[in-house]
Amino acid sequence: EIVLTQSPGTLALPPGERATLSCRASQSISSSYLAWYQQKPGQAPRLLIYGASTRATGIPDRFSGSGSGTDFTLTISRLEAEDFAVYFCQQYGSSPMYSFGQGTKLEIK
Amino acid sequence: EVQLVESGGGLVQPGGSLRLSCAASGFTFSSYEMHWVRQAPGKGLEWLSYISSFGTTIFYADSVKGRFTSSRDNAKNSLYLQMNSLRAEDTAVYYCARGHLWPVRVFDYWGQGTLVTVSP
Repeated sequence: EIVLTQSPGTLALPPGERATLSCRASQSISSSYLAWYQQKPGQAPRLLIYGASTRATGIPDRFSGSGSGTDFTLTISRLEAEDFAVYFCQQYGSSPMYSFGQGTKLEIK
Repeated sequence: EVQLVESGGGLVQPGGSLRLSCAASGFTFSSYEMHWVRQAPGKGLEWLSYISSFGTTIFYADSVKGRFTSSRDNAKNSLYLQMNSLRAEDTAVYYCARGHLWPVRVFDYWGQGTLVTVSP
């Protein structure tokens, strides 16, 4: 079973700063199968990044993804008020077919 | 516009059953794989089930295997989750989600969720 561990658990930054969120897999995964989602309170998750680095439709270019093997990163270049939310990474593999990290809460400092 | 609307959630006693529905619109439902994902209050996301575009292949997470059954009716553009032998730990918001077209393995659209509460 592949376990995704996200860090930090909570990240407090002011608007305009750069945010770097980490997702580490317990074993190597294909970058093709690593995605990131954003979830705001009371809302469903929204797909941000897939294939580790490809932005989903309509996602601003201040969001970028990178990484390979076991270490993946979501970067938000200049935080805007609407970016403060919880972020989850997700992988596709086997047993379970899909799994998520526990999430990183990005809050306003 | 792609829309997924879940329904059927509510309060149920431990050991009881519930059937969730997900009504899809704005896309060719029969062309897409579908999933159920849940989120316990204040917790993370847990994938539960995958169903292929024609319903011929279904996979489940170990936590619900043997208790939950996913199905779909492409003529009605609808996805279903039959939940039996419910436990307190099944309390969560249940989302249906569309699977991105192959080979991308992500959930590209989500419903707003329906809350299931398992309590005496």
